[in-house]
Amino acid sequence: EDQVTQSPEALRLQEGESSSLNCSYTVSGLRGLFWYRQDPGKGPEFLFTLYSAGEEKEKERLKATLTKKESFLHITAPKPEDSATYLCAVSGSNYQLIWGAGTKLIIKP
Amino acid sequence: DTEVTQTPKHLVMGMTNKKSLKCEQHMGHRAMYWYKQKAKKPPELMFVYSYEKLSINESVPSRFSPECPNSSLLNLHLHALQPEDSALYLCASSQAGATTDTQYFGPGTRLTVL
Repeated sequence: EDQVTQSPEALRLQEGESSSLNCSYTVSGLRGLFWYRQDPGKGPEFLFTLYSAGEEKEKERLKATLTKKESFLHITAPKPEDSATYLCAVSGSNYQLIWGAGTKLIIKP
Repeated sequence: DTEVTQTPKHLVMGMTNKKSLKCEQHMGHRAMYWYKQKAKKPPELMFVYSYEKLSINESVPSRFSPECPNSSLLNLHLHALQPEDSALYLCASSQAGATTDTQYFGPGTRLTVL
C-alpha cells in the first residue's frame, strides 16, 4: 500500500538552529515527491518537486534531497518566519497524491 | 506567476442555503482540482477536471457539485450541506493533470456550515 510518513510531528528550534525534516515513502513507481509549506488557515505553498534519487533542490534557507526511500527538508539557520507546517506528498502510478500528516515547525526568536 | 485565486475567503451558510465557491488561474494550466482540508489533516481530493472535463470524482456527496466553465475557472456549488462539511476548501491547478505535474494551490475558502 502506498504510504507517506513524516517525522517528527512537531519540531521546536531556536532561531539559527539548523535541522532536518523527514519524509519516508512507500510507493510503486515514484513519479514525483512534492514539498509544501502551509501557514494556518492558508493554502499549501509549493516549495520543491523532486523526481529521482540523488536529486537536490535549494531555495533560500531550505534544501530538499531525495533517496529511494525518503526525502529530507534541511533548514539552515531558520528564522521565526519559517514557522509553518511542512507537508510532503508523493505521486505514484495512481492519479492521486499521497500526503504525509505534516511536520509543524516552530522557530523561537 | 504561479497564482491561483479563490473567492470568497470566508463563507458561513445554513444547511438550507445554496452557495458557490470560485477559483481562477491564469497560468495556462489544463487541470484543476478541488480539495477539502480539515484541521490538522492533509488535503483530501474531491474532484479533478482535466481539459475542462470531470475526470475524477472521489465519491463526493451530491450536495457538492463542481463546474468548469472554461480552462481558467472552476466552481464548486454547495447545497444542503451538513455541519461536518465545515472545512477549508482548496482549489489547485497543474499543467496537464499528469502524475509528474506540480499542483499549485490557492489560499482556500474557510467554510462554516451552521
